Amino acid sequence: GAVVSQHPSRVICKSGTSVKIECRSLDFQATTMFWYRQFPKQSLMLMATSNEGSKATYEQGVEKDKFLINHASLTLSTLTVTSAHPEDSSFYICSASNPMNTEAFFGQGTRLTVV
Amino acid sequence: DQQVKQNSPSLSVQEGRISILNCDYTNSMFDYFLWYKKYPAEGPTFLISISSIKDKNEDGRFTVFLNKSAKHLSLHIVPSQPGDSAVYFCAAFTSGTYKYIFGTGTRLKVLA
Repeated sequence: GAVVSQHPSRVICKSGTSVKIECRSLDFQATTMFWYRQFPKQSLMLMATSNEGSKATYEQGVEKDKFLINHASLTLSTLTVTSAHPEDSSFYICSASNPMNTEAFFGQGTRLTVV
Repeated sequence: DQQVKQNSPSLSVQEGRISILNCDYTNSMFDYFLWYKKYPAEGPTFLISISSIKDKNEDGRFTVFLNKSAKHLSLHIVPSQPGDSAVYFCAAFTSGTYKYIFGTGTRLKVLA
């Protein structure tokens, strides 16, 4: 299947700093990527839809100034958590859809811990 | 408003027996459904999918059944193996959007 690479897999940062997470589709061009967040023992919640060359579409309740998404190329989307706080600590996962298939492919996820 | 629900948070099954994981949805616009398997601290791995024009799809030990009138789908794993122990998520989306809505997950434990 298609490969989506996400890194870092784990990051610890101090409150008030910003953290960037990268998501790359390695073997196909992804015009659309998605960012999810998962709290312990809960479902994956869609945060935003990342569109190549245009602004991301955020789900209700997600602060777009807090979670900056950039999709500058067909193979790379980035999520930047700005001015991180402990409550931002979570597991963040990206996915990309291959136009040739229906299923989406997920990155390995990033465990963010804000101390 | 939870559009996709998995009402059983956990399930334990003996090795060799059948595992049945259930999922209900409320949005009649969904026309594609998928099951993903997830280990802790990893991204989900695709298992099997079904479009709304079908009522059954089979792939090896995995079979997904869809009952559109009841807005219900299920994943059958037979025979269950200890390596199947993981959290299983069902997901749904409307064609053309790829905007997955996930259920809350069911933790499957297959006992040796």
